[in-house]
Order: sequence, then C-alpha cells, then structure tokens
Amino acid sequence: HSALTQPPSASGSPGQSVTISCTGTSSDVGGYEYVSWYQQYPGKAPKLIIFGVNKRPSGVPYRFSASKSGNTASLTVSGLQTEDEADYYCSSYAGSNNYVFGTGTKLTVL
Amino acid sequence: EVQMVQSGSEVRKPGTTVKISCKVSGYTFTDYYIHWVQQAPGKGLEWMGLIDPEDDETIYAEKFQGRITITADTSADTAYLDLSSLRSEDTAVYYCATDSVSGYGDYDYWGQGTLITVSS
Repeated sequence: HSALTQPPSASGSPGQSVTISCTGTSSDVGGYEYVSWYQQYPGKAPKLIIFGVNKRPSGVPYRFSASKSGNTASLTVSGLQTEDEADYYCSSYAGSNNYVFGTGTKLTVL
Repeated sequence: EVQMVQSGSEVRKPGTTVKISCKVSGYTFTDYYIHWVQQAPGKGLEWMGLIDPEDDETIYAEKFQGRITITADTSADTAYLDLSSLRSEDTAVYYCATDSVSGYGDYDYWGQGTLITVSS
C-alpha cells in the first residue's frame, strides 16, 4: 500500500482554523471507517488525537475535529494555539490486517 | 497505567541484525495486537507489521517481508522486532504501539522509541 498523501506543510495564525487533507484510495481511506490522526512533537512519540474518522480520545481538545469524504479524510484545527505547532499524520486500515500512514504535514502557527 | 518500554539505542554494521524489545504493562498482554512503526530521520511514519500475542499470528508490510520477524513472549509481556540484513536506510527510530480502542490501527499507546543507527 502506498502512503496516504498529505500536504507537506500547513500554517495559520493564532485563533484561525486550518484543515489538513489525507488522500488515499478505496482500498484504505475510502473503504473503512478506521482513519486516525496523530500529533507528533520533535523527538517524541506520536499521540492519537482522532480515531474512527471523527472521534476524539478523552483529553483531546474540542478544537480538533475530523471528517471523511470518499477517499479523502480531513483534520481541522480550530482556534489555533501555539502549542498546536507539530507534525500531523493520518493513518488508515487497509484491509487484511494491513495499515498505512500518511506522508505527514508540518503545521506552523505563525 | 499502560506503559510500553522499549530497549535502548543501538549501532549496527550493514548486513547485521538488530533485535528491539517492547515490554508492556498495565493491561493483559494478549488482549491487543502489538504493532511496529519505523520513522527515518526527518521522515514520516511507516507501518512495519504486527503480532497477535494471543496466537503469535504475524502480518508484515510488503516492504519489510523477508527481513522482519516479530515475536512475543507472553511470560515476559514483551514483544520483539528483529530486522536483518541491515542497510543505511534502516537508520531510524522504531516504535512499538498498541490499539486498545478499535483493534483497527488506532494507536493509543506508544513506546518511547528506539534509535537504530546502521553505520560501517
């Protein structure tokens, strides 16, 4: 399975909203309701911020929301804060117990 | 509290094998699959494979087939990643992770990562 496609970078000013896309195929993103999103700071392990396409784990701020349409999933960060500056990765179940990550997006808070 | 504690950084020469461990605590080891994820310096995450500790069933990503072996020791609550025929491109941080949410790749717990450097 090829990596899911994400934009290399995204940016926004504090308080603004930014949306990051994650494009796959009907064999992964489009075929299952198992898309998740991760936030990763430099030198740290990724942190799960969205699972099951649009569900937030306990403790993840409401500012993080997500959706899916066809083969593309999206993560929206509303009310940007400086601490949101990090790398973001999507991932998807790809059938037969195979999984695939996105290429990653570096979010800069201007 | 769930914890996944990995073994320390290692340096290996090209062509050799490395074994990384991932000891888990805070849940029943056989309840959830253990996955391994590679992250090369400055690069993205790449799923390598998984093991079901209950029956030792493994699934490997095509990219690593033939060079990867994932095992689990239920008596020690520990999973292992063996990567053989190492090359410079294998220099990376390797993470173990588990999904206690859905069982379909929602990794809510991660190890701290193990840096493997492949250099002659």
